[in-house]
Amino acid sequence: DIVMTQSPDSLAVSLGERATINCKSSQSVLYSSNNKNYLAWYQQKAGQPPKLLIYWASTRESGVPDRFSGSGSGTDFTLTISSLQAEDVAIYFCQQYYSTPQTFGQGTKVEIK
Amino acid sequence: QVQLVQSGAEVKKPGASVKVSCKASGYTFTSYYIHWVRQAPGQGLEWMGIINPGIGTTNYAQKLQGRVTMTRDTSTSTVYMELSSLRSEDTAVFYCARAYSGSNYFFDSWGQGTLVTVSS
Repeated sequence: DIVMTQSPDSLAVSLGERATINCKSSQSVLYSSNNKNYLAWYQQKAGQPPKLLIYWASTRESGVPDRFSGSGSGTDFTLTISSLQAEDVAIYFCQQYYSTPQTFGQGTKVEIK
Repeated sequence: QVQLVQSGAEVKKPGASVKVSCKASGYTFTSYYIHWVRQAPGQGLEWMGIINPGIGTTNYAQKLQGRVTMTRDTSTSTVYMELSSLRSEDTAVFYCARAYSGSNYFFDSWGQGTLVTVSS
């Protein structure tokens, strides 16, 4: 199984400041035949199901604010919230869908400083 | 709009089985795969398996083989996940989630979750 490791486990950021979450996979999730990274990011607010934010490592889901962006390739990925808003308080998960079983990072909790 | 609506919370005794439903609406039921994911209290997300609603084929997580069964009813656009021989470690919120194309795709819509509590 591909192991997904996120860092940090939690972070506190001031309103309007940048938040950066890292995700590392134990093997590459870049599929060479189509040059796509099989990596997604989800946001989970308290008591709610996860919500898709980013797929193919950097494509923003429809309706997701443009302060959310994804980057990286191969085994190292980053989710950036460019200007943290109060409604962004949540746990963020990365997921690889390159191979079965699909696996998730342990989650990063984002709070307001 | 796309909706996945799950059945309500359950309380089960160790050794029992639970069957959770996920009713889809707002899209062509047979065009999207359904995955099941569970989340133990305060924990991360664990993939359980996938069903192709069109032809009913399934693929389960290795650790759940023999205990999990996923089925579908195309007449009601509903997918079911049954977990047997329940133990306390199975206490979790169970989610169904939609993916466009099999195992190698992200989940673009999730059910609201079903809490299953296993307790004597």
